[in-house]
Amino acid sequence: AQSVTQLDSQVPVFEEAPVELRCNYSSSVSVYLFWYVQYPNQGLQLLLKYLSGSTLVKGINGFEAEFNKSQTSFHLRKPSVHISDTAEYFCAVSAFRGSTLGRLYFGRGTQLTVWP
Amino acid sequence: GAGVSQSPSNKVTEKGKDVELRCDPISGHTALYWYRQRLGQGLEFLIYFQGNSAPDKSGLPSDRFSAERTGESVSTLTIQRTQQEDSAVYLCASSLVGDEQFFGPGTRLTVL
Repeated sequence: AQSVTQLDSQVPVFEEAPVELRCNYSSSVSVYLFWYVQYPNQGLQLLLKYLSGSTLVKGINGFEAEFNKSQTSFHLRKPSVHISDTAEYFCAVSAFRGSTLGRLYFGRGTQLTVWP
Repeated sequence: GAGVSQSPSNKVTEKGKDVELRCDPISGHTALYWYRQRLGQGLEFLIYFQGNSAPDKSGLPSDRFSAERTGESVSTLTIQRTQQEDSAVYLCASSLVGDEQFFGPGTRLTVL
C-alpha cells in the first residue's frame, strides 16, 4: 500500500515570499505523484502531476514540484506567492500497477495562508 | 456537463437516518471514485467503479456504507443508520482509466 505524509499542517507566508510545501511518500511499488489544491468551498483541482521523465514538474499558477526518488519526496514550490494562493494543498500518490491501480492516497493537507 | 456534479451540496440529518448522495461523472469517464474528507484529515478512499468490473469496495468503513453505479453514469453512495462520525465531506471523482481524476464539489454531510 501507499501512504503520504505532509510535514506541515499550516504554512503562513507574506505575499511575494517564496514557499515550499513538503510531501514525503511511502510505497512498495512505483507511483505517480500529484498535488491538488482546494480553494474554500470548492472541489479539488489538479495543480501538477509527475508520471515519468523530468523530475521537475511545472503546474498551473506558477507552482512547480520536484520528484526525488532517493528521498521519496515531492515538494511543492512557488517563488513568489499571491494572496489568491491561500488554499489547502494536498499531495497524493497512485500506484500505476497492482490491485490499487488508480486509487489516490492523500496526505492530510497543508493550509497555505498568504498575508498582505 | 462540463465537470463532475454532486448533489445535494449540503445534507443535515439526524443520527440513525439513511442518506443518499449522488454523483454525476464527466460523460465518457469509465472510472468513478468516492472519497471521504473528515475535518482536519486528508481524503480517504471509499470505493472505485471501473466500467462493468466488480467495484473495489475495500475502502468502505462499515457495512452501513454501500454504493451503486448504473453503467458508466450516475453513482449513488448510501449510508444507512448514520452516526455522528459519518459527518464529513463526501467527494466524487471520475476519470478515464489511468488518467487524471476530476473531482466534484462534494457533499457536506452533518449528522446531528
